[in-house]
Amino acid sequence: TQLLEQSPQFLSIQEGENLTVYCNSSSVFSSLQWYRQEPGEGPVLLVTVVTGGEVKKLKRLTFQFGDARKDSSLHITAAQPGDTGLYLCAGSLRAQKLVFGQGTRLTINP
Amino acid sequence: DAGVTQSPTHLIKTRGQQVTLRCSPKSGHDTVSWYQQALGQGPQFIFQYYEEEERQRGNFPDRFSGHQFPNYSSELNVNALLLGDSALYLCASSTGTGNTEAFFGQGTRLTVV
Repeated sequence: TQLLEQSPQFLSIQEGENLTVYCNSSSVFSSLQWYRQEPGEGPVLLVTVVTGGEVKKLKRLTFQFGDARKDSSLHITAAQPGDTGLYLCAGSLRAQKLVFGQGTRLTINP
Repeated sequence: DAGVTQSPTHLIKTRGQQVTLRCSPKSGHDTVSWYQQALGQGPQFIFQYYEEEERQRGNFPDRFSGHQFPNYSSELNVNALLLGDSALYLCASSTGTGNTEAFFGQGTRLTVV
């Protein structure tokens, strides 16, 4: 059973376009993390959101945690080829165990 | 400040063999979690070690076992390897104080032939 559903699974867009990746669950999480992973490497933490309704910005990336702490979104403005990668959301249930979504593979074409 | 380090980076084993993977957590971190990431999938939680004891375990068979040492480093052991055990094995470190941020190593790519 996949506790976290990410959509879309694959996304290929042109440089300069905007995009949104969604992470949805029926479970309530104490916190949610977004990671970016390059091929053959471990995930790199981008942000942690804790409070329902919280919005965090990291340059052109905007992360939002749903009011009920069951879902989250990642919005990228003016995407660049360097944004290409696998984006993973991970919810924390208890004692720091992370439940991951299956990931969104993003490709930004020059 | 060294981050999370894992060894080896790549490993090829034969079915039925045993393997040991190693992880050194980020400085100041005392909790180590292990994840298995199959190709094209998100990481799946194997287990977590804190204060040298297994604190949580995911849905993995007893062939998967681990250990944490007094210096907080950890090992993941897999016995009787199956072809399906081929994956990227990730170690994540964090603090045991309730902070949920986890930092990952680069992983060990295990191929079972």
